[in-house]
This record gives sequence, C-alpha cells and structure tokens, in this order.
Amino acid sequence: EPEVTQTPSHQVTQMGQEVILRCVPISNHLYFYWYRQILGQKVEFLVSFYNNEISEKSEIFDDQFSVERPDGSNFTLKIRSTKLEDSAMYFCASSLQANYGYTFGSGTRLTVV
Amino acid sequence: RKEVEQDPGPFNVPEGATVAFNCTYSNSASQSFFWYRQDCRKEPKLLMSVYSSGNEDGRFTAQLNRASQYISLLIRDSKLSDSATYLCVVNGGRGNFNKFYFGSGTKLNVKP
Repeated sequence: EPEVTQTPSHQVTQMGQEVILRCVPISNHLYFYWYRQILGQKVEFLVSFYNNEISEKSEIFDDQFSVERPDGSNFTLKIRSTKLEDSAMYFCASSLQANYGYTFGSGTRLTVV
Repeated sequence: RKEVEQDPGPFNVPEGATVAFNCTYSNSASQSFFWYRQDCRKEPKLLMSVYSSGNEDGRFTAQLNRASQYISLLIRDSKLSDSATYLCVVNGGRGNFNKFYFGSGTKLNVKP
C-alpha cells in the first residue's frame, strides 16, 4: 500500500533555530497538506498545497512557516525561528483529489527546548 | 463555536457490543465528511468517508444528517482492536473546501 513518508521521526531543536521537516507524498497525489498535533490536543490544519502553490492556510501558519515542493517528490515545511510552543507532532498528508480523504505520514515529533 | 465537536468519552464497552458516536459541525456549507481513527501516538488513518445516503463498510456504518449538522459512526460487534480514538473530520465549506477540521476525538476502549 502506498505510503506518505516523513523524516526525521523525531527532531529536537533549540528555540530560535530553523527546522525543515520533510515529506514524500504518494507519487500520484496532487494535494499536499501539513497538520500538527500538540500532545493531548486535536489535529490542527496548517496549510494545503496544490499546483505548486499554497491553496489555503490557517492562522497558525504565519510568516515563520513556509512550504516548498522543490523537486516534484519532496514536500517540506520550514519553521524559521522555532518557539517553545511549536513543539508538536507534525503530520504531512496527501490526497489524489480535493475533498478526498487523506493519507497521513507517521509524523515528525518536534521538540523545541 | 467549535467547527467540529465530539464527546471525548471514553466509551468503555465489552467485546461484541455495538457502540455509536456522534459529531456535530458548525458550518452548514461543509461538503466533505470523514471518520478517522487514531491510535495512541500514531497518525490518523482514514476509516471511511461519510455520504449523504449513509454508507457501510463491514461492521462500520456512517450517517450524515445535514439538517441537524451531525455525523454518526456505528460500530457493531466491537473487537479489542477497535480500541482507539475516533476523529470526526469536516471540510471548511465555501472558500475552504480544502481545509479540514478535526474534532478532538472520541476514545473507545473495548474490553475482553
């Protein structure tokens, strides 16, 4: 069964540092997403990406965040200057069409210290 | 008002029981509805889409009531492996079709 792959599985970073979270979506999928889940809380939408541009983003996705699809297979989330409250599990997801159910990756646990 | 609301549970049921979860959503323009399950510290996994006519997949039945803006999930003949948190997911409606809102989840514990 096709998978969404995320790396690394766990990243620890110091406050103020930049981090890049990487994802390889399912190869024929066209829509890509980042979500996050703070421990014990609900899954929250960050951004959706289609046709090489952001299609929607949430209030959480401020200027500190950016996404890129640099080479047609990877999909990355960059946090420019991490804060303690950015500590969360970050999930990448992809879908074949809009409004379809997603396939999620297994997540990157980001810990900001 | 939250976009998606669910009873957090937990629902503690014996094996073989039938259990039902409800979820309400606030945006009447939402058009896509899903149930996901999430095991502890794992990613959400798509359980089923929810269609207006209702749909069934084995022991699982999902219903949508647009007039009352709620979605239900019925699990028959519960198995131990059904123990998980069940997440109701709804899209954002007009202008936000590709933004999905997750409920906080309903925890199910199936006991032997």
